Amino acid sequence: KAGVTQTPRYLIKTRGQQVTLSCSPISGHRSVSWYQQTPGQGLQFLFEYFSETQRNKGNFPGRFSGRQFSNSRSEMNVSTLELGDSALYLCASSLGVTGELFFGEGSRLTVL
Amino acid sequence: QQQVKQSPQSLIVQKGGISIINCAYENTAFDYFPWYQQFPGKGPALLIAIRPDVSEKKEGRFTISFNKSAKQFSLHIMDSQPGDSATYFCAASRAAGNKLTFGGGTRVLVKP
Repeated sequence: KAGVTQTPRYLIKTRGQQVTLSCSPISGHRSVSWYQQTPGQGLQFLFEYFSETQRNKGNFPGRFSGRQFSNSRSEMNVSTLELGDSALYLCASSLGVTGELFFGEGSRLTVL
Repeated sequence: QQQVKQSPQSLIVQKGGISIINCAYENTAFDYFPWYQQFPGKGPALLIAIRPDVSEKKEGRFTISFNKSAKQFSLHIMDSQPGDSATYFCAASRAAGNKLTFGGGTRVLVKP
């Protein structure tokens, strides 16, 4: 069974640009969550989608957005990038609302 | 506001020794407490989890101890092996949901 797949794995952007990250969950999983991981702030929850609806949202500015498609694949978008957005963005999928998350390997974003 | 505090930040243990990581939480609404293991370049992987209706859960060499009144829980890694060298994160969620609040992480190094 394939795990959570995130693309791209690495990307470099400049301040002011926008970025879209993609996540394909484990087959059959309907919940997709996104987390930001940085050395300073650790792992922080961004948002969760279940059956194309946003269930929860973390304390991030509106520049961070996401969506989920009917096949459960998800994308997150960050607009007007800032240096502080440099981070590893992790996607996690779950069968349902169980708290048992399966993480992908992440997309490492560097903002110059 | 850091709702889950984890200690120590790092620890070194000899092969065969016991690694102990502690976490304390503030929000009494938390009712699901998982531990994740993360290797460099990989996403976190669920290791073991506990709910507050039990005081201890053991899976192989990994044991969670839970103290509801003190709002603390800990991970014990028995017979630590070099392959256990990783960063460990405690986490908590409400209603066993997928919005996890993570501790700051503990980097464990097991010396052969």
